Amino acid sequence: KNQVEQSPQSLIILEGKNCTLQCNYTVSPFSNLRWYKQDTGRGPVSLTIMTFSENTKSNGRYTATLDADTKQSSLHITASQLSDSASYICVVRGRDDKIIFGKGTRLHILP
Amino acid sequence: EAQVTQNPRYLITVTGKKLTVTCSQNMNHEYMSWYRQDPGLGLRQIYYSMNVEVTDKGDVPEGYKVSRKEKRNFPLILESPSPNQTSLYFCASSPGQGWSPLHFGNGTRLTVT
Repeated sequence: KNQVEQSPQSLIILEGKNCTLQCNYTVSPFSNLRWYKQDTGRGPVSLTIMTFSENTKSNGRYTATLDADTKQSSLHITASQLSDSASYICVVRGRDDKIIFGKGTRLHILP
Repeated sequence: EAQVTQNPRYLITVTGKKLTVTCSQNMNHEYMSWYRQDPGLGLRQIYYSMNVEVTDKGDVPEGYKVSRKEKRNFPLILESPSPNQTSLYFCASSPGQGWSPLHFGNGTRLTVT
């Protein structure tokens, strides 16, 4: 069964610290993986897309990695800011265009 | 401004009273979809549409209807709402499938009493 598992479920860190969110998937055959950020009361917004041939991609203070062999992705946030407080959702698309959503990691940044 | 607009943002209704949540996009996207988001369950797809007059069931379609008579609009209809349909609903659109990101509306919080 195609699944996307995210960990941790929630995370609390101090402003300025770094953190890493994990995403493991079993979707096969794989097409691409996106990380979305969802602020409270808003719809999710795409942060980055990872394809089979990409290992690392950065978007400002966000760096996503992908290991297609182990079917794992991570989202690393550097020098966290209060505005990073949000849910982060890993979304995997199979080559059949079926989209599988992870349940998200809720990140709280404390001042 | 390119956006997906959902209305209303908040809705409280009673069991059995038909309601419609509207969704409109101004990006000329072919693909549109509806999701519900519940604590601990994440986003689950209700229905999707690849183009005008083409709709298909997602993972949790029971109790919902949709229509796609125009490219820009994709309303979600609850013919006889029940309390288990209390949830946060999101409409999304994209140019097509494959590499395109989903563009989400800001959600409709529905409470059925």
